Amino acid sequence: NAGVTQTPKFQVLKTGQSMTLQCAQDMNHEYMSWYRQDPGMGLRLIHYSVGAGITDQGEVPNGYNVSRSTTEDFPLRLLSAAPSQTSVYFCASSYLAATNEKLFFGSGTQLSVL
Amino acid sequence: KQEVTQIPAALSVPEGENLVLNCSFTDSAIYNLQWFRQDPGKGLTSLLLIQSSQREQTSGRLNASLDKSSGRSTLYIAASQPGDSATYLCAVSYPGNQFYFGTGTSLTVIP
Repeated sequence: NAGVTQTPKFQVLKTGQSMTLQCAQDMNHEYMSWYRQDPGMGLRLIHYSVGAGITDQGEVPNGYNVSRSTTEDFPLRLLSAAPSQTSVYFCASSYLAATNEKLFFGSGTQLSVL
Repeated sequence: KQEVTQIPAALSVPEGENLVLNCSFTDSAIYNLQWFRQDPGKGLTSLLLIQSSQREQTSGRLNASLDKSSGRSTLYIAASQPGDSATYLCAVSYPGNQFYFGTGTSLTVIP
């Protein structure tokens, strides 16, 4: 019963490096999303997807790319890491948002950009 | 921009006490409101979901209420236990799959 799986759990990057955060879910959820969590600012939506081949921007999309080639996977790419991207990143999924669908979260990736 | 506010930011209570956490939001056209629990270093776990047409939901010692017209929700925890210590976040969802989160209330239950 894996749910939402995120890898890696921890990552340290140098400024300018690129990397991909992985997210996979095994619940056949149409909706997947990426958030960053910063102290005092709560969770902020980066990008989301309502199905394979469909992605859209959230509140803070700059510096990040996403793609959704399958229902199960929704990777988040940092194109050129900056210290401002130091944060904890969470992937979340649900059945397509309706009035009664809960949001399921992965355990997070703690990213430090030096 | 939707604003979700949670007060207080931190709360410390003795074991056995009943307590109330508050959540307010500025745009009342919500799909639903969820209360989440987050333990240190972990992801969020959905505790209760209240649909926009509902007034409350209950699960065990937890009861969540929703007043859409005033833009408020409360999470009531009965007979608190040390294991309830965690951060509690509320989130509202809107058409277009947009979720907005509060910054959370950090709860400590003292044995």
